[in-house]
Amino acid sequence: EIVLTQSPTTMAASPGEKVTLTCLASSSVNYMYWYQQKSSASPKLLIYYTSILASGVPDRFSGSGSGTSYSLTISSMEAEDAAIYYCLQLTSTPWTFGGGTKLELK
Amino acid sequence: EVKLVESGGGLVQPGRSLKLSCAASGFSFNDYWMGWVRQAPGKGLEWIGEINQDSSTINYTPSLKDKFTISRDNAQNTLYLQMSKLGSEDTAIYYCARVDYWGQGVMVTVSS
Repeated sequence: EIVLTQSPTTMAASPGEKVTLTCLASSSVNYMYWYQQKSSASPKLLIYYTSILASGVPDRFSGSGSGTSYSLTISSMEAEDAAIYYCLQLTSTPWTFGGGTKLELK
Repeated sequence: EVKLVESGGGLVQPGRSLKLSCAASGFSFNDYWMGWVRQAPGKGLEWIGEINQDSSTINYTPSLKDKFTISRDNAQNTLYLQMSKLGSEDTAIYYCARVDYWGQGVMVTVSS
């Protein structure tokens, strides 16, 4: 089973600040998906195949990475971006999520 | 509009079984892999398993494969999760997912 480790676990960013979240895989994966979850809502897909923005996602979000290291970047933090972010690998079964990064507004 | 609507959750006693359903609409259900994800209160997401278009391939997270069974009925556009031998550790919100779209989730509480 591929284990995904997200860092940091929790962080706070000021409006306008650049934010980078990391997801490290215990073995190489072909691509990464990223989700955003606010409060008790269902997770929302942000990025798929490592760097493709899902429909309706603001272009301040971007994804990159390869092999065992992937990242999600918010170019300029906005209040509505406060949420928990999860990475998901679908390269190898069982599919697995990272533990999540809680992003708060400073 | 893609819609996934889960049902069948509720309060269940330890050791009992429960079957969740997910009604899909707004897309060609039989063209997609579908899966189940759960989230225990205050915890992260846990992928339960997924099923391919014709049910010929079904994968599970190893720790859950002996108690959970995923199935689908393409004629009814419905995904199922049969859960057995439930314990308090199975208390969670259960989501039906197409990977890019998720349902609103259904709460399952295991308690006597």
